Amino acid sequence: QVQLVESGGGLVKPGGSLRLSCAASGFTFTDYYMSWIRQAPGKGLEWVSYITSSGITVNYADSVKGRFTISRDNAKNSVYLQMNSLRAEDTAVYYCARIRTALYFDDWGQGTLVTVSS
Amino acid sequence: QSVLPQPPSASGTPGQRVTISCSGSNFNIGSNPVHWYRQLPGTAPKLLMYANDQRPSGVPDRFSGSKSGTSASLAISGLQSEDEAAYYCAAWDDSLNGWVFGRGTELTVL
Repeated sequence: QVQLVESGGGLVKPGGSLRLSCAASGFTFTDYYMSWIRQAPGKGLEWVSYITSSGITVNYADSVKGRFTISRDNAKNSVYLQMNSLRAEDTAVYYCARIRTALYFDDWGQGTLVTVSS
Repeated sequence: QSVLPQPPSASGTPGQRVTISCSGSNFNIGSNPVHWYRQLPGTAPKLLMYANDQRPSGVPDRFSGSKSGTSASLAISGLQSEDEAAYYCAAWDDSLNGWVFGRGTELTVL
């Protein structure tokens, strides 16, 4: 079955950096686009970034553009989110999700918590 | 970042029918399919409905979706206590080149 396992979250100071990882299994990773979605404490869902199956095309929400970088390693069945210049408002649970052709997220990881605080 | 308006809360008694609405624009709901996710407290969201009215395997037919113009709705009939959750709509947005989510609706079964 499809499994998406995020890791790399933690406590970081404002202005700091963190790299999230998402390990995928149970499906042909190279067939799918992947995405990161976040949820601030007590708030709703916010799309963060996506990457195509080849990794050539990526895009970001305006709120993270220029600070976050998405990438993938198809040999390792993994997708990453490099987060720089972190702000308090980046505090959230970050979910990794698989994207289907009709542009929906059919499987989600369990999430990893990122806390930005001094 | 854009957020699709949804009512913050909805409620019903067991057996009732409840509808949750989601409105958008021509850039998102008006030109792309709508999807719905359900999130139980402390857990990751799960796909509930995709492409406006398609149920993933395992989702009972008590759940139905529809879309008209720039609005969409999710209906839950035969309400059960386990339906208590947060419900989010979402759609691709052509102007953002990314997804927009609804604000989320907390459903309470009285």
